[in-house]
Order: sequence, then C-alpha cells, then structure tokens
Amino acid sequence: NAGVTQTPKFRILKIGQSMTLQCTQDMNHNYMYWYRQDPGMGLKLIYYSVGAGITDKGEVPNGYNVSRSTTEDFPLRLELAAPSQTSVYFCASSYPTGTSGYNEQFFGPGTRLTVL
Amino acid sequence: GDSVTQMEGPVTLSEEAFLTINCTYTATGYPSLFWYVQYPGEGLQLLLKATKADDKGSNKGFEATYRKETTSFHLEKGSVQVSDSAVYFCALSPTTSGTYKYIFGTGTRLKVLA
Repeated sequence: NAGVTQTPKFRILKIGQSMTLQCTQDMNHNYMYWYRQDPGMGLKLIYYSVGAGITDKGEVPNGYNVSRSTTEDFPLRLELAAPSQTSVYFCASSYPTGTSGYNEQFFGPGTRLTVL
Repeated sequence: GDSVTQMEGPVTLSEEAFLTINCTYTATGYPSLFWYVQYPGEGLQLLLKATKADDKGSNKGFEATYRKETTSFHLEKGSVQVSDSAVYFCALSPTTSGTYKYIFGTGTRLKVLA
C-alpha cells in the first residue's frame, strides 16, 4: 500500500492564482481530512469527508473548496490565492472500528505552498 | 467541547536523559488517544495509541498510559537519543456518534543534544 499520497510536494503561487492540491489514499478509508499547519504551529482542520459525495467544513474553510467523488480521492481547491494561505497542507484518512470507535489517522507527506 | 492540552515546548534534553511530555484531555465520551511524531519536513506519523482506560501504548521505547481518572496520556521515554528530536502531538479521536473530528494538541518540540 502506498498509503496517503499528496501532490505536488511544493508549489509557489502568485496572489489571485488558483490551484488544486491532490490527495489519494489506497486503504479504502471512509474518512478523509485536510489540515493546514502554519510555521511552528499545530494543525487546523479545513474540510473533511465521511464518504464519497459527503463533505463538511472544519475550523478554517474560507478560501478553500473540496469534492469527494470517489472513496480514494479528496482534492482541495484554492481559489484566488492569498498570502495568508501560505502553509503546509496535510491530507489524512481514517476508518471506524467495528465497535463505534475510531482508529488513528494516516497522514500524507504534505504540500508546501507559498503565495507571493 | 472536547480538548487536548499539551505542555509547551521547546523541551531540550541531553542524550540519554528521561523524557516526559504531559498531555491532558477533556472529552464527553470515551476517545482513543494517540501520540504522533513529526520529524523536520515530514508529515505526522503515529507513534503509539491506546483505545481504553488503563491501556498502555508503546513503540520505539516510548510509552503512554491512558489514565481516565486523571484524564491524562503523558508520553515518556527512559533514554532519549538525538534522533528523537522532533515535534510530538497528542490527539484524541471523535468521541460521540455523528462526530468525525480528531482533536490535536498544539505540539511539543523536543531537541536532544549529543
């Protein structure tokens, strides 16, 4: 299993440009998440999805959009990039246990985005 | 709501010193608890986990015990190495049906000196 993969690894955008961060997992996990991590800080949840066709906002969704058309893919779209979106973006996935609990999240390697 | 409080860093230790990183939580249900490690320039990796009270998670010489009575999940290692230098995150799973968000602490940076 490749686990959770993210592309690209690095990207520099100009203010106002758009881009899509790709995330794919091959573990057949229901739940997928997008986080951002600002320098020296913790994780902030942007969006999450509990299955194909179902997405919901996290703490900091403004300026981002997501879609989930398949179990494997969960792309994050940035429209009109702003310097405040300079961050490292992590995708993660997880799955419930059989007894209404939750297992750990599996994280991708991240995408470093700079907006100038 | 649910929350995780983690000790502030950075923590600087000499090689072979004993490590404790404190983590306490508040939760309405019965979460699973996790410690993740993030090495420089990398994503988060699961270090250890515990799924119920009194469980002890362990990996690579690190240990943490799920203490329901003190709502704590402190990370310990008896003898740290330079290669343990990283940021450590305490986290708890969703606790109630219909919620899906994991709660993370703010992270504790550990620096181990040779």
